Amino acid sequence: KAGVTQTPRYLIKTRGQQVTLSCSPISGHRSVSWYQQTPGQGLQFLFEYFSETQRNKGNFPGRFSGRQFSNSRSEMNVSTLELGDSALYLCASSPPDRGETQYFGPGTRLLVL
Amino acid sequence: GDSVTQMEGPVTLSEEAFLTINCTYTATGYPSLFWYVQYPGEGLQLLLKATKADDKGSNKGFEATYRKETTSFHLEKGSVQVSDSAVYFCALAASNTGNQFYFGTGTSLTVIP
Repeated sequence: KAGVTQTPRYLIKTRGQQVTLSCSPISGHRSVSWYQQTPGQGLQFLFEYFSETQRNKGNFPGRFSGRQFSNSRSEMNVSTLELGDSALYLCASSPPDRGETQYFGPGTRLLVL
Repeated sequence: GDSVTQMEGPVTLSEEAFLTINCTYTATGYPSLFWYVQYPGEGLQLLLKATKADDKGSNKGFEATYRKETTSFHLEKGSVQVSDSAVYFCALAASNTGNQFYFGTGTSLTVIP
């Protein structure tokens, strides 16, 4: 079974721009979560989507948004990029129930200049 | 709220040494607990999990026991190898609806020959 895939793997943007990251979950997994990983803050939860609806949301500003499509693929968008948005963005998929193992993609490394 | 507290790193051990990485948690109810491992440049991989009190998760020589009385899930390995060098994350599945995870800050392990 194919794993979680994320595109692109690397991205360089400048301040003020916007960016869209994509995540394809494992086949059959309907829950997709997004995390931001930085050396200073560690792994921080952004949001979780299930059946095209945001089910949980972390403590990030409204510049961070996401969506999920009917095939469970998900995208996250960051508008008006700031230098501090430079990070590894990880996507994880799982069956929908609480406590199910989350399976992570390789991440998208975003650098904001 | 739910949270995970993980032993600070970095940890440096000689090959064949005994490893313990401490993890304690705060949660409502009975969360599932996980250990993930991250190798350089990669996403997180599930190492082991436990879903109820007194369960022992094990994989590749690593073990962790779900201790409700001490709210702990310490990771142990009897004899580490150079290939175990990585960052280890303790996590719990949150008590809210959906499948949101909380992660510890991660512990970097370096094993020297």
